[in-house]
Amino acid sequence: SQQGEEDPQALSIQEGENATMNCSYKTSINNLQWYRQNSGRGLVHLILIRSNEREKHSGRLRVTLDTSKKSSSLLITASRAADTASYFCATRGGSSNTGKLIFGQGTTLQVKP
Amino acid sequence: NAGVTQTPKFQVLKTGQSMTLQCAQDMNHEYMSWYRQDPGMGLRLIHYSVGAGITDQGEVPNGYNVSRSTTEDFPLRLLSAAPSQTSVYFCASSTPGTGNEQFFGPGTRLTVL
Repeated sequence: SQQGEEDPQALSIQEGENATMNCSYKTSINNLQWYRQNSGRGLVHLILIRSNEREKHSGRLRVTLDTSKKSSSLLITASRAADTASYFCATRGGSSNTGKLIFGQGTTLQVKP
Repeated sequence: NAGVTQTPKFQVLKTGQSMTLQCAQDMNHEYMSWYRQDPGMGLRLIHYSVGAGITDQGEVPNGYNVSRSTTEDFPLRLLSAAPSQTSVYFCASSTPGTGNEQFFGPGTRLTVL
C-alpha cells in the first residue's frame, strides 16, 4: 500500500498566485522528499526535509514537516506557467538505508498564464 | 554525464511475450530502483538493488525479475507479459548518505495487448 496521500489531487491557479499541496503519510520516516514530473517525463527531485527539521526553503519552494501529524506541505510562491506539472511526495522510512522511497499519488498543478 | 538512461522509450507486446527493459546510469550510484506509474496511482516500487549482486522486492514484484551484475546496469525482465503490466516504467538511481534523492530516467511506455 502507498505511504503518502496527497491533497488536493488537482489544483488550478493563476500565474502569480501561491500553490499549496499537502502530503500525509502513515509510518515513521527518516526524511520526506518532493518531486516534480512534467507531462511525459521522469521525476525531478525538488527538495528534501529530514525528520528532525520543521521547515525548509529552496528558491520559491517552502516545505514544512509535522511529524506529530505525519504530514508535510509544499508551498510554491509566485507561481509561473512553467510550474505546471504533477508534484509527488516520497518518504524514506525508518533507520534502514535501502534506498527505498514510497511515493504518494501526486497533485496535478495547472498554472494559467 | 548521461545520468539515467532507459531503453526502449516505447514498446508494444502481445500477451505472453517476454522482454527486458534496460536501465543504465553513469553516476556510480549504488542504489537502483524500478517503479511503475499507472494513472491516479503515483509510483509503485517493483524491485530495487543496493549494489551489484543484491536485489530485493518492492511493493509490486509479481511478474517481474531483476538482476544486478554491474553497478551501472539494472535490467527489468517481463517473462510473460500480461495486459495488467501496461504502464509507464521508470528506473531511478541514488547514492547512500544523501537521503536517497533519486535520479530518474525518462521512462518506458509499455502496452501489452
